[in-house]
Amino acid sequence: QVQLQESGPGLVKPSETLSLTCAVSDYSISSISSDYYWGWIRQPPGKGLEWIGSIYHSGSTYYSPSLKSRVTISLDTSKNQFSLKLSSVTAADTAVYYCARGKVGALFDYWGQGTLVTVSS
Amino acid sequence: QSALTQPPSASGSPGQSVTISCTGTSSDVGGYNYVSWYQQYPGKAPKLMIYEVNKRPSGVPDHFSGSKSGNTASLTVSGLQTEDEADYYCSSYAGSNNLVFGGGTKLTVL
Repeated sequence: QVQLQESGPGLVKPSETLSLTCAVSDYSISSISSDYYWGWIRQPPGKGLEWIGSIYHSGSTYYSPSLKSRVTISLDTSKNQFSLKLSSVTAADTAVYYCARGKVGALFDYWGQGTLVTVSS
Repeated sequence: QSALTQPPSASGSPGQSVTISCTGTSSDVGGYNYVSWYQQYPGKAPKLMIYEVNKRPSGVPDHFSGSKSGNTASLTVSGLQTEDEADYYCSSYAGSNNLVFGGGTKLTVL
């Protein structure tokens, strides 16, 4: 059973950079299987899900067009974790951020519990 | 890319069937058989219920089913149970390694 756990600051000031990490257990993120990838999804309070971006074991990244200019997703295979950085945040970036394992077929089969990040001064 | 369109709410009585729609375009729902459905309880992470339009992951009850016609995908919950009351989200591959979600539907079991 793959497990994912998000961690990072729960409060970020406007204009600063939001940084989150997702620790993965019971599966190696450096596995050469081409079936899987790793993603970030967010959900503003009371609203729907929004895909932020995904990263493959090769390091190839794909970002939502609406966030592309501010997003960086990276892998740390030595720690079996991957990270999200979102720059120049505003109140509109306040959301629960989820990390998840993606699979060929554009689905996410395992999710972290989510972490609330509030953007406020 | 725009979010897929779902009705904000749906409801049914125990034992009835309910269908939730998910409308996109030929660039997402209509262009690929990569539509997924997720169930989310309040304060919890989403759970994959349907993938590739009509496939159920192991452990998902068989009263959940999916289909697609043109640019609209559908999730049908047959024989509604009280525990089916939750929010449901569709998602679709949108080309060029992009993915888009629907706005979500709150399913109420009356």
